[in-house]
Amino acid sequence: GNSVTQMEGPVTLSEEAFLTINCTYTATGYPSLFWYVQYPGEGLQLLLKATKADDKGSNKGFEATYRKETTSFHLEKGSVQVSDSAVYFCALLIQGAQKLVFGQGTRLTINP
Amino acid sequence: EAEVAQSPRYKITEKSQAVAFWCDPISGHATLYWYRQILGQGPELLVQFQDESVVDDSQLPKDRFSAERLKGVDSTLKIQPAELGDSAMYLCASSPGRVGTGELFFGEGSRLTVL
Repeated sequence: GNSVTQMEGPVTLSEEAFLTINCTYTATGYPSLFWYVQYPGEGLQLLLKATKADDKGSNKGFEATYRKETTSFHLEKGSVQVSDSAVYFCALLIQGAQKLVFGQGTRLTINP
Repeated sequence: EAEVAQSPRYKITEKSQAVAFWCDPISGHATLYWYRQILGQGPELLVQFQDESVVDDSQLPKDRFSAERLKGVDSTLKIQPAELGDSAMYLCASSPGRVGTGELFFGEGSRLTVL
């Protein structure tokens, strides 16, 4: 079946630290991959996406590269800020389908 | 900026009672989704509408859950009777196209607690 596995949280870092949140997937066909973010008290919002192998999605200093050989889409940021504290969800969309399959989410806390 | 509106934000009910959630998607968005998010887990799709038609309700517990989008605009999700295991956040999302792009706009959610 189609599924997404994220690194276990919570993750706590100091401001300006380097961030990696791991995401691997299992899918039939060639999915599109996404990172969504949920800030405290807000709805989920799209952070970045990649639609084919070797594509790099980027937004707000975050990046993720679609690695077909390792079935991964790890989220990275070079220098995190307190305002990045949120829950991050990795997700996939199967070609021809219209529903997203989400991972379980990773809670990130950044301390000043 | 246009948003997906949901109500109520919070609902506490006793088991066996009926509960209803309302969602108003972004104007012009053809596709509407209801997701359920249990604490500590990712959202799971319950039902998806294309205009007023259901295109996927395979994960909707149809013995107690129902959803409608009568005029292809706003939508209601109903649970009757509520069970303890229904305690969760119910998320509504919409997207503009009729072809899945994965780019969804979510509301803030309705948190249900069943006692």
